Amino acid sequence: DIQMTQSPSTLSASVGDRVTITCRASQSISTSLAWYQQNPGKAPKLLIYKASSLESGVPSRFSGSGSGTEFTLTISSLQPDDFATYYCQRYNSYPWTFGQGTKVEIK
Amino acid sequence: EVQLIESGGDLVQPGGSLRLSCAASEFTFSTYSMNWVRQAPGKGLEWVSYISAGSSTIYYAESVKGRFTISRDNAKNSLYLQMNSLRAEDTAVYFCARGSGSYAYMEVWGKGTTVTVSS
Repeated sequence: DIQMTQSPSTLSASVGDRVTITCRASQSISTSLAWYQQNPGKAPKLLIYKASSLESGVPSRFSGSGSGTEFTLTISSLQPDDFATYYCQRYNSYPWTFGQGTKVEIK
Repeated sequence: EVQLIESGGDLVQPGGSLRLSCAASEFTFSTYSMNWVRQAPGKGLEWVSYISAGSSTIYYAESVKGRFTISRDNAKNSLYLQMNSLRAEDTAVYFCARGSGSYAYMEVWGKGTTVTVSS
């Protein structure tokens, strides 16, 4: 199975910071990658699909890039609602797999 | 508002069975694939099972294959997960999630239902 590895596992940042999270696939997945945000005790929320397409209603400070095996999620200016855990997910082939998550915490 | 509401979570003994349900509303359920995803306490997301819109294609994670069965009733706008031979490691919040058209990312999620396997 194709494995997904996120880095870092935890990230400390302040409001207004630019934040980048990386997701690497163990083999090429083209652009079949999604990003989700999850707050404690809540369901995940789709942010980005097809590596760089912004889901409707998601603020434009979120952006995604990459293809093949390396992908990034960038938050251009961190807001208080953005302190959460972020997951990547590949969906090019069964079984779909998630990265282990990146927790963005307040510095 | 598009909505998914899970139910059926409970405390069950190891080796026991449980059936989860997911009720869909405000979208044409019969045209979307569906998934179950779980999250063990303090852990990340784990995809569990997928069913296509017409039930012709079904997939399972290796960790549940042979023990769990996904199904759907498009007339009732409902998704199900029959879980047998439950183990302690199946303890998790179980989310149902709508797939996106031809792709397997998950556009809409329910709030989850909690399954605890313990004696």
